[in-house]
Amino acid sequence: GAGVSQSPSNKVTEKGKDVELRCDPISGHTALYWYRQSLGQGLEFLIYFQGNSAPDKSGLPSDRFSAERTGGSVSTLTIQRTQQEDSAVYLCASRFTTAGELFFGEGSRLTVL
Amino acid sequence: QQQVKQSPQSLIVQKGGISIINCAYENTAFDYFPWYQQFPGKGPALLIAIRPDVSEKKEGRFTISFNKSAKQFSLHIMDSQPGDSATYFCAASKDDNTDKLIFGTGTRLQVFP
Repeated sequence: GAGVSQSPSNKVTEKGKDVELRCDPISGHTALYWYRQSLGQGLEFLIYFQGNSAPDKSGLPSDRFSAERTGGSVSTLTIQRTQQEDSAVYLCASRFTTAGELFFGEGSRLTVL
Repeated sequence: QQQVKQSPQSLIVQKGGISIINCAYENTAFDYFPWYQQFPGKGPALLIAIRPDVSEKKEGRFTISFNKSAKQFSLHIMDSQPGDSATYFCAASKDDNTDKLIFGTGTRLQVFP
């Protein structure tokens, strides 16, 4: 596609349920990033992929959070046993390996009741 | 060492005025400093970026000023327009594909006619 695509755009879930958020990066972009944006807050780095490997997963807030990337393309962020504090917009971004610009998707808004 | 501090948190400017947003960083290894613009419900998009080999970069009404010795950089929006109303994020990283962008906490700009 022309841009970074994320789904679902909105997700409402109950506390304790698992959720999966999907990111489809721009074709040919080998680097993929997940960020979290809480209400009124900045962009918090979660994890970064180069190809299918994750050299930096230092931003994952707990072991309830995991992410994978397959085929050097689509990535899935999984949150297990969701908590209310997980409510946020989860943003995915991609870029070419040597270019500075990150291209962001429109995000997945997660609400945990 | 990894923080990027941004101010002000919010800014109200009259149409035609100058909007100024400031950022400070700590890590002297950073050498790529972009500004991203985010409209409600959308992902951030690159507005303008600078590398430390220059002290100023201008693109249309948007200018980045960079002070390497003070480890500070700022965004100036000249002749601010209501359409500039958005949230602005500064960011910093090492300019290679192995590093992640560290974002500031954002500035919500409102330009009134």
